Amino acid sequence: DAGVTQSPTHLIKTRGQQVTLRCSPKSGHDTVSWYQQALGQGPQFIFQYYEEEERQRGNFPDRFSGHQFPNYSSELNVNALLLGDSALYLCASSLVRENIQYFGAGTRLSVL
Amino acid sequence: QKEVEQDPGPLSVPEGAIVSLNCTYSNSAFQYFMWYRQYSRKGPELLMYTYSSGNKEDGRFTAQVDKSSKYISLFIRDSQPSDSATYLCAMDDYKLSFGAGTTVTVRA
Repeated sequence: DAGVTQSPTHLIKTRGQQVTLRCSPKSGHDTVSWYQQALGQGPQFIFQYYEEEERQRGNFPDRFSGHQFPNYSSELNVNALLLGDSALYLCASSLVRENIQYFGAGTRLSVL
Repeated sequence: QKEVEQDPGPLSVPEGAIVSLNCTYSNSAFQYFMWYRQYSRKGPELLMYTYSSGNKEDGRFTAQVDKSSKYISLFIRDSQPSDSATYLCAMDDYKLSFGAGTTVTVRA
């Protein structure tokens, strides 16, 4: 049974560029959440998708957007990258009725 | 004030010792309480979760939740060097709110 998979593993971008990160949820899960984890800190909630709709959003600017596809996979897009966007981006999946979230290995984004 | 407070440590113990980790929180709406283990530069791995108050045991791990005190704990018995990692507490209210993580080193 495949767990949560994320791609790419590592990404290097320059300021002002745009990036797309991808996530496939654990088999049977219908809800995907995205988190940003800066070095030495706990993950911070970006947003959550269910039934292809954004259900909830954390305190992140509109430069951060997402999408969920009919097969429950999801993308996170970040526009106009800033140096401060450098972090580990984590995707987690769960069932909407039970918010036990399982994480992928993350995508490490470096903005130069 | 942060919703979830966790002592970042670091915590260093000898092999075989009991590791005690804890978090406090302020949001009474939290219902699920989770502990994740995170190795360096990897994603968090779910260790245990507890719904509402009470204790839960899984092998060498015991999780406790005291909702009246807004306090949760994780105990690791007979700690091993492979337990060396950062431990994150998390609580849910549609999203997960995480503590900052406690870095644990178990010395052989």
